[in-house]
Amino acid sequence: QKEVEQDPGPLSVPEGAIVSLNCTYSNSAFQYFMWYRQYSRKGPELLMYTYSSGNKEDGRFTAQVDKSSKYISLFIRDSQPSDSATYLCAGASGTYKYIFGTGTRLKVLA
Amino acid sequence: SQTIHQWPATLVQPVGSPLSLECTVEGTSNPNLYWYRQAAGRGLQLLFYSVGIGQISSEVPQNLSASRPQDRQFILSSKKLLLSDSGFYLCAWNGKISGSPNDFGPGTRLLVL
Repeated sequence: QKEVEQDPGPLSVPEGAIVSLNCTYSNSAFQYFMWYRQYSRKGPELLMYTYSSGNKEDGRFTAQVDKSSKYISLFIRDSQPSDSATYLCAGASGTYKYIFGTGTRLKVLA
Repeated sequence: SQTIHQWPATLVQPVGSPLSLECTVEGTSNPNLYWYRQAAGRGLQLLFYSVGIGQISSEVPQNLSASRPQDRQFILSSKKLLLSDSGFYLCAWNGKISGSPNDFGPGTRLLVL
């Protein structure tokens, strides 16, 4: 079992839809979680960083962590074609060794 | 402002040849630096990290090595490349969040033939 799992997609949604991207993880010691956006052939870009359980909102993005079920989510409101990318989740028990999922490819259709 | 650079952007090398990839960070001092590899269908795999000059921690036994000759320079090397070394190599530093690898460079795409 991989430590962090994501559905690879692709996930296709119409412009303006609310997108829900999800990850599960197996290591109960994880306390730090990140979401990245990666465009094709580019380096990942940090979107959200959360510590422990709860929600965090930044503009159109909301990150949610449920440690009891080992489930993390990223919601994108009012999705745009420019949001089309691969989204990576990552978790860590300490501050440096993050374990990444393989990414979910998102397509927002105009 | 801080910027992270990597070069080359793409590289095609024959099996058995040496490798040197370079990463530099501008606008900061004493960054934590990381090398990752991203292979098709796999998550980012941490290869090495460094908290200071000459201090390298290896996460995965492999055909690669890393060095940090200067504060803001991180080099990934190999003496003899294998086919399995092909992938997308990414350098990162703890730019936005202390300790955590969160600001990535543009990456080097390596194809070993």
